[in-house]
Amino acid sequence: DTAVSQTPKYLVTQMGNDKSIKCEQNLGHDTMYWYKQDSKKFLKIMFSYNNKELIINETVPNRFSPKSPDKAHLNLHINSLELGDSAVYFCASSQEYNYGYTFGSGTRLTVV
Amino acid sequence: GQSLEQPSEVTAVEGAIVQINCTYQTSGFYGLSWYQQHDGGAPTFLSYNGLDGLEETGRFSSFLSRSDSYGYLLLQELQMKDSASYFCAVASGGSYIPTFGRGTSLIVHP
Repeated sequence: DTAVSQTPKYLVTQMGNDKSIKCEQNLGHDTMYWYKQDSKKFLKIMFSYNNKELIINETVPNRFSPKSPDKAHLNLHINSLELGDSAVYFCASSQEYNYGYTFGSGTRLTVV
Repeated sequence: GQSLEQPSEVTAVEGAIVQINCTYQTSGFYGLSWYQQHDGGAPTFLSYNGLDGLEETGRFSSFLSRSDSYGYLLLQELQMKDSASYFCAVASGGSYIPTFGRGTSLIVHP
């Protein structure tokens, strides 16, 4: 199936830990993204990345970092996890920058 | 900066027509998109308007008026499965990346 897949689906971890979320797309899209959705369903862009450019939302703490080994993968690394990082994180990809995003199924991160 | 306004909740009955409005303030507007998200699921792309007018895709239509900084999503022949959150998203400015509204929860009653 053509899709955006991310793992794990659920992640429960303690404060202070470092964790990673993996994302892969087989749609041949040029650009990938990470979004954070909070408990009020607000979707906030964290990063966008293609093989030429990384765009970082300036409000994202530098504890969050994207890593892209190739065009089909964009992983999210989070250092020193905090309670406020608890949210659902969505990976997405698109061929065009401004529409037609395909989202992964999400990773529900709970920091305890 | 950018801001988007959409109603927090809309209710309707099966078979009816419902319109979800979205107003925005932004500079360098590129386009307005709509996404659907069921509880526990991922957002799914529904439609995109880059120019003024109506775009129709089956039971769903989306409208844009750039002069009024306004758009809407029209859902016809509502079905129970249409109960979900609907997000408008605006792409603008130098980054091109859409900013999402806070979503409208649509509740369809039998």
